[in-house]
Amino acid sequence: QQPVQSPQAVILREGEDAVINCSSSKALYSVHWYRQKHGEAPVFLMILLKGGEQKGHDKISASFNEKKQQSSLYLTASQLSYSGTYFCGTENGQGAQKLVFGQGTRLTINP
Amino acid sequence: GAGVSQSPRYKVTKRGQDVALRCDPISGHVSLYWYRQALGQGPEFLTYFNYEAQQDKSGLPNDRFSAERPEGSISTLTIQRTEQRDSAMYRCASSLNPHSSYEQYFGPGTRLTVT
Repeated sequence: QQPVQSPQAVILREGEDAVINCSSSKALYSVHWYRQKHGEAPVFLMILLKGGEQKGHDKISASFNEKKQQSSLYLTASQLSYSGTYFCGTENGQGAQKLVFGQGTRLTINP
Repeated sequence: GAGVSQSPRYKVTKRGQDVALRCDPISGHVSLYWYRQALGQGPEFLTYFNYEAQQDKSGLPNDRFSAERPEGSISTLTIQRTEQRDSAMYRCASSLNPHSSYEQYFGPGTRLTVT
């Protein structure tokens, strides 16, 4: 079952923060986050494997609440280069490998 | 090093024709995935391979769709008797290892248009 992302779209000014949520109705084993710019392929951001895990690099981080079956992506002090559509991909069982992607969140950063 | 490559990048075909889409994964990558992506939507899983073995084909829409990876490297997605509803971006991705902790690297995609 496809995870639900919220919000569907968000517009920010450079320097502002954003949170993108990904919720599933099924138990999650892992959550993958990708960013896709217009006309390009999705690019990997990070994977969260364990409940309670938090990861981050630069000013992009994520958390994974296994019990709530959800993950959140945090973008701090957004830069113009952060613009794009963000997708979460969920894996529902260990070794399943199959990722089910959400419908995406379009992020627009204005100067 | 070279990333995932796909060919052709664009394919226009007439309804009823068969098409073959090729994916060349990153060298040494064990797992290969096929997705279909509609405009403005997330990638939709079709099938995947570990080495040459097809592990899950639950996402293939119907029996007109098939995929193979005979030598554990290059893969071909074949659509027989194409229909207009098959028009989409078809992407493949590869990952180094079958385990969940490994990211998938996506190719540039093949834009298929069925007229």
